[in-house]
Amino acid sequence: GNSVTQMEGPVTLSEEAFLTINCTYTATGYPSLFWYVQYPGEGLQLLLKATKADDKGSNKGFEATYRKETTSFHLEKGSVQVSDSAVYFCALSVTGGFKTIFGAGTRLFVKA
Amino acid sequence: EAGVTQSPTHLIKTRGQQATLRCSPISGHTSVYWYQQALGLGLQFLLWYDEGEERNRGNFPPRFSGRQFPNYSSELNVNALELEDSALYLCASRGPNNEQFFGPGTRLTVL
Repeated sequence: GNSVTQMEGPVTLSEEAFLTINCTYTATGYPSLFWYVQYPGEGLQLLLKATKADDKGSNKGFEATYRKETTSFHLEKGSVQVSDSAVYFCALSVTGGFKTIFGAGTRLFVKA
Repeated sequence: EAGVTQSPTHLIKTRGQQATLRCSPISGHTSVYWYQQALGLGLQFLLWYDEGEERNRGNFPPRFSGRQFPNYSSELNVNALELEDSALYLCASRGPNNEQFFGPGTRLTVL
């Protein structure tokens, strides 16, 4: 079946630190991969996406590369800000499928 | 382009009552998804509507139901409310690359 596994949180970093949130997946077929972000008290927002192997999604300084050989889609940012404090969800959707499979979410705290 | 909208923002009910939550998708999107997010936990898939029909439901009892209207807006109904139904209910519509666009959610509190 299809599944997403992401690192457990919370992750606590100081401002300007490097961020990595690991995400691995299992999928039948050729999935599209996504990262969503949920700020406190809000719904989820699409942060970035990649639709095929070796694609790199990027937005707001965040990046993730679709690695088919390691079935991974790790989220990275070179220098985090306090405003990046949120919950981050990795997700996949299989072409022709109706459902998006979400990981459990990783809470990030960034200290000033 | 207007995003996904949900109403009400907050809803307070007592045990045994019924709750109705509403969602309007992005214009042109025909698929609407409902999720439950209990405090501190991940998303649980509730229901999927497309072209006015219920296409799939998650592992929730029948007292969770809904419908989709001809204009693709949707309604989620929760009957016989229980304390554990307290959660953030999120609605999303689906874009052309299967990305999901979420509304701000309805916070349901059952007392």
